[in-house]
Amino acid sequence: ETGVTQTPRHLVMGMTNKKSLKCEQHLGHNAMYWYKQSAKKPLELMFVYSLEERVENNSVPSRFSPECPNSSHLFLHLHTLQPEDSALYLCASSQEDRRGGLFFGSGTQLSVL
Amino acid sequence: QKEVEQDPGPLSVPEGAIVSLNCTYSNSAFQYFMWYRQYSRKGPELLMYTYSSGNKEDGRFTAQVDKSSKYISLFIRDSQPSDSATYLCAMSVEFVTSGSRLTFGEGTQLTVNP
Repeated sequence: ETGVTQTPRHLVMGMTNKKSLKCEQHLGHNAMYWYKQSAKKPLELMFVYSLEERVENNSVPSRFSPECPNSSHLFLHLHTLQPEDSALYLCASSQEDRRGGLFFGSGTQLSVL
Repeated sequence: QKEVEQDPGPLSVPEGAIVSLNCTYSNSAFQYFMWYRQYSRKGPELLMYTYSSGNKEDGRFTAQVDKSSKYISLFIRDSQPSDSATYLCAMSVEFVTSGSRLTFGEGTQLTVNP
């Protein structure tokens, strides 16, 4: 495996379900991110982990709960979501404070019914 | 007012055309500018990055920054159907990578027709 991998690729869940999104990076980076991408809107940064510590939480509702057990893995735990949470959830990684940009996974397309 | 403005399109051009994609911004402190390409059902991938004003060329792609006008452009020469994607601009104040400090445009959807 190379780059940033996300599972599952697609997820349909009811408003009362609990599910988790998984991200793994194979690039040796020290920072990982969750972004939300909705149609006709810029990428929204949700959470940032640098050196496995959460350094940013952009006023995300508590129904989204991140977890970063080590520098290669990132999870997003979901519970009691709303239909407006339906979007593409992207994981990214980077080497903080170096040039080179973010490396994104292919995303999880989430539909909340 | 949005910090970064990008026309979402869609933009449709014939194969071989020169494509111009643009973003304007309001924060004069931005000095690190990036273009990402996002294919359907994929995550964005970094295409080019430039620092401050000027041009940068990579094959058929040219990134241009005009800080005096707060305007950046991505030109694609001899466009190909494989260039069909959504192009996102991104920028930050610092010349380093930090996802928490990047501001993205909403992306322009481009289709190159054979």
